[in-house]
Amino acid sequence: DQQVKQNSPSLSVQEGRISILNCDYTNSMFDYFLWYKKYPAEGPTFLISISSIKDKNEDGRFTVFLNKSAKHLSLHIVPSQPGDSAVYFCAASADIGNEKLTFGTGTRLTIIP
Amino acid sequence: SQTIHQWPATLVQPVGSPLSLECTVEGTSNPNLYWYRQAAGRGLQLLFYSVGIGQISSEVPQNLSASRPQDRQFILSSKKLLLSDSGFYLCAWSGGGYNEQFFGPGTRLTVL
Repeated sequence: DQQVKQNSPSLSVQEGRISILNCDYTNSMFDYFLWYKKYPAEGPTFLISISSIKDKNEDGRFTVFLNKSAKHLSLHIVPSQPGDSAVYFCAASADIGNEKLTFGTGTRLTIIP
Repeated sequence: SQTIHQWPATLVQPVGSPLSLECTVEGTSNPNLYWYRQAAGRGLQLLFYSVGIGQISSEVPQNLSASRPQDRQFILSSKKLLLSDSGFYLCAWSGGGYNEQFFGPGTRLTVL
């Protein structure tokens, strides 16, 4: 049972435009959400996170939105740059301090120059 | 600052051979440690996690085992590798009550 789903395996966006990556979850106990970026043959790097008490968190070009009622979160990248081309994973945790994460299957983002 | 090391970076092993992958963390104490596998075209699957020396939790039944002989050392092992053990193995750490996990560079394992 895939508790965290990224239904788009790939996404292509023109450089300078907005990239929107989506993630859905089924476990209502999840209360902390994270986005990771991964280049080939490297470990994922942490990008941004959001607690369930918020509906938006922003860090530079990256903004994460959380819609708890829909069990949906999204990552917005504005403006998109060629270096943003990577696989993006969303992850969720059911208990702050538990620190176990459940990952989605990832979305490969390609930024077209 | 904290750093996490994994070795080897790549490994090619025959079916039935043993495996030992090592992960060490520097710059922190008493971290939570994790082993993940990313199979081709798949997401990150949590294999094992550890909250302290000698404490190992297994997430999925499999041909692998993990050990934590020291506070900042995490080892992934197998007595006899299967073809299905091929994949990209990632070690991660977290600590301080925060959910962010920080990943090592990974080991690409190919079982032939």
